[in-house]
Amino acid sequence: ETGVTQTPRHLVMGMTNKKSLKCEQHLGHNAMYWYKQSAKKPLELMFVYSLEERVENNSVPSRFSPECPNSSHLFLHLHTLQPEDSALYLCASSQETRGDTQYFGPGTRLTVL
Amino acid sequence: AQKVTQAQTEISVVEKEDVTLDCVYETRDTTYYLFWYKQPPSGELVFLIRRNSFDEQNEISGRYSWNFQKSTSSFNFTITASQVVDSAVYFCALSGLSFQKLVFGTGTRLLVSP
Repeated sequence: ETGVTQTPRHLVMGMTNKKSLKCEQHLGHNAMYWYKQSAKKPLELMFVYSLEERVENNSVPSRFSPECPNSSHLFLHLHTLQPEDSALYLCASSQETRGDTQYFGPGTRLTVL
Repeated sequence: AQKVTQAQTEISVVEKEDVTLDCVYETRDTTYYLFWYKQPPSGELVFLIRRNSFDEQNEISGRYSWNFQKSTSSFNFTITASQVVDSAVYFCALSGLSFQKLVFGTGTRLLVSP
């Protein structure tokens, strides 16, 4: 595997389900990010991790819970989501957080019923 | 505050036409970086270019070229002889040493028809 991978690519879940999104980067980077992209809305940064520590949380509801067990893996745990949480969730990584190029994964298309 | 404006929401061209996508930015940082990404229908954001604020030389890569002008705070992207495969949403973004994130514009959807 090369670059940034995300699984699953598509996910349909009910509002009472618990699921997790997984991201893995094979680039040796130190920083990882979660973004949300909804229809007709700009890209929203959700979380930033640098060297496995969360350095930014953009007022994301607690039903989204990130986890970064090491610098190569990033998870987004989902529980009791709302239909408005349906979106494309993109993971990215970069060497450093300030000024470096971010490389994105293919995204997980999430539908909440 | 940092801000990126892509005023063109959608552009439609016919194959082989040249097209320019506009990007205007705001920042107080003296050192900053500008980016362009392409998002095809598959969804993945594909990195195209990164320029730093001290390098105002225009860059050309195949059919793609970028015009960086600090005097007008613009970083425009031109596709020469457009092709159907260029159809995508293009995002301009800004990053700096004082903030730990990329600030994205709202994107320009480019539709190239045969």
